Amino acid sequence: ETGVTQTPRHLVMGMTNKKSLKCEQHLGHNAMYWYKQSAKKPLELMFVYNFKEQTENNSVPSRFSPECPNSSHLFLHLHTLQPEDSALYLCASSPRGGGSNQPQHFGDGTRLSIL
Amino acid sequence: TQLLEQSPQFLSIQEGENLTVYCNSSSVFSSLQWYRQEPGEGPVLLVTVVTGGEVKKLKRLTFQFGDARKDSSLHITAAQPGDTGLYLCAGVSRNYKLTFGKGTLLTVNP
Repeated sequence: ETGVTQTPRHLVMGMTNKKSLKCEQHLGHNAMYWYKQSAKKPLELMFVYNFKEQTENNSVPSRFSPECPNSSHLFLHLHTLQPEDSALYLCASSPRGGGSNQPQHFGDGTRLSIL
Repeated sequence: TQLLEQSPQFLSIQEGENLTVYCNSSSVFSSLQWYRQEPGEGPVLLVTVVTGGEVKKLKRLTFQFGDARKDSSLHITAAQPGDTGLYLCAGVSRNYKLTFGKGTLLTVNP
């Protein structure tokens, strides 16, 4: 058990669909992150939330829309995605988003395939 | 843009062999983290190295941070099949942001 739970684990959707990815952490952390992991590329940071406030948007296209209703939950709303958006989407949390050496705890990811 | 280069990209060895993987950058980091990711799972933090020249040991794994805090290495002694996985290094910048390398995919054959 990782303490960070992501659902669904797998998602196949068409380019015109709307879906949402969910992340929940039970670690009492105050910072949450979305990453994209594609083959042959480094993990790419997408969004950072600290105490429910978005503190970083790493030039992510608007077809990805994050939502953080509280410190324990993070969503990624998906709309009109492109085939190149197929990837593993990882959620992570850390005690807080500031300061170095904050270990990040990752969920097991949602494997997203765009048809 | 800070970049971390990991080498080798792929490594396949026999059980009992030793190996070293490298993580190099032209940028200085506040600290550096190593993660291992197994198939179907998220990355799990192995260690954080903070001080230039620091060496940390975790059972058969030895991590070293370069003196200039730009590079790091991971040495595994007597590798076992359970060591199989993707090893990721991540540099921590002063604004806490993590920059990941592409990873080294290690396969240890019985």
